[in-house]
Amino acid sequence: GAGVSQSPSNKVTEKGKDVELRCDPISGHTALYWYRQRLGQGLEFLIYFQGNSAPDKSGLPSDRFSAERTGESVSTLTIQRTQQEDSAVYLCASSLGGSVNEQFFGPGTRLTVL
Amino acid sequence: GDSVTQMEGPVTLSEEAFLTINCTYTATGYPSLFWYVQYPGEGLQLLLKATKADDKGSNKGFEATYRKETTSFHLEKGSVQVSDSAVYFCALGRQGGSEKLVFGKGTKLTVNP
Repeated sequence: GAGVSQSPSNKVTEKGKDVELRCDPISGHTALYWYRQRLGQGLEFLIYFQGNSAPDKSGLPSDRFSAERTGESVSTLTIQRTQQEDSAVYLCASSLGGSVNEQFFGPGTRLTVL
Repeated sequence: GDSVTQMEGPVTLSEEAFLTINCTYTATGYPSLFWYVQYPGEGLQLLLKATKADDKGSNKGFEATYRKETTSFHLEKGSVQVSDSAVYFCALGRQGGSEKLVFGKGTKLTVNP
């Protein structure tokens, strides 16, 4: 019954380290999205999952970014060799999919790369 | 590609004032349009939506009308309250394909008592 959850809520890392961000969507939601919000900017789309396949990865900014999803459940966004420009709030959303349904957002993970 | 432009903030109003936050979009075809709101310390949540031209979305006293001729979806409220203080995001989405949302940069609204 809970909403979308994300962990950790905050992550501070050193430049060059890898990080993993987790998203637990609402149960039964087949569509899952990752967005990024850098300071003073709007949300940027990163990747879309329908089930465990990712038909749209067009927003991933570089090959350092990857994501996977297990069935219609948890998703993990991995950033390798983090850079300072990766600092942002990473938001996950889920929806019923199939049409332009309401997307339900998690609270986000604030990533700071030192 | 698709894009959304919304008025820059921050916007500061007194309680009971009239609110307009402008939003225009660039897109081919007929996208769906949304306003999302982020209250302090909370996640983004859908405020209202419209899926075709001339539709009016409304919720919690807020309204926005999908105007294809002016490619706009301006958010309005007749009398704002302190509790309306939040960041408001205009967004568009398309049926079919990834249905990802394209967002504006957000407008921070502060309502003073």
